[in-house]
Amino acid sequence: AQKITQTQPGMFVQEKEAVTLDCTYDTSDQSYGLFWYKQPSSGEMIFLIYQGSYDEQNATEGRYSLNFQKARKSANLVISASQLGDSAMYFCAMRVLNAGGTSYGKLTFGQGTILTVHP
Amino acid sequence: NAGVTQTPKFRILKIGQSMTLQCTQDMNHNYMYWYRQDPGMGLKLIYYSVGAGITDKGEVPNGYNVSRSTTEDFPLRLELAAPSQTSVYFCASSITSGVTGELFFGEGSRLTVL
Repeated sequence: AQKITQTQPGMFVQEKEAVTLDCTYDTSDQSYGLFWYKQPSSGEMIFLIYQGSYDEQNATEGRYSLNFQKARKSANLVISASQLGDSAMYFCAMRVLNAGGTSYGKLTFGQGTILTVHP
Repeated sequence: NAGVTQTPKFRILKIGQSMTLQCTQDMNHNYMYWYRQDPGMGLKLIYYSVGAGITDKGEVPNGYNVSRSTTEDFPLRLELAAPSQTSVYFCASSITSGVTGELFFGEGSRLTVL
């Protein structure tokens, strides 16, 4: 079974500073993908960034980067130059491709981290 | 570009009532999912479908049923609603069952059972 752990229930950051949101994962599958989603107070789920288990480079998307440390099974999200609009809940999630092919693309989510950006 | 559409967005049910949450997607995705999100928590998988006519249970299926008669539609049925089913429900779809490619989510349906 897969598991995602986000140990920071809440984080605070000053506007324009960088912040790291932690995510560790556990799976016995060799092929997997790691995702970060943002959920603002309005409730929708917004896809931010993806990292594949075989990707050698850390993924980047604008101000978002994923610090992927495979040996430590961590996939931390780094937000640079925080903005007030970054205040939201952030979820780390994982999809696996198991040997039996029965994972069917299901996403497993962590508990989330609430980020608050102060002016 | 509609994507994944859920209805209703809000609903209040009395204990023991039943209802169906509708979900439709216009992206021709084979893979569809229903998740629930309890306050302050992550999303948990209720049911999923890999194509028309094929559905299976996720992590928390008790008290729910689904059907998938077409590629586009994946309704979630709540029978005999209980307060424990008070939650926000998300429908999602994906073009692939592989590890790449994100899930596309609907806007969510907030259900309260009193």
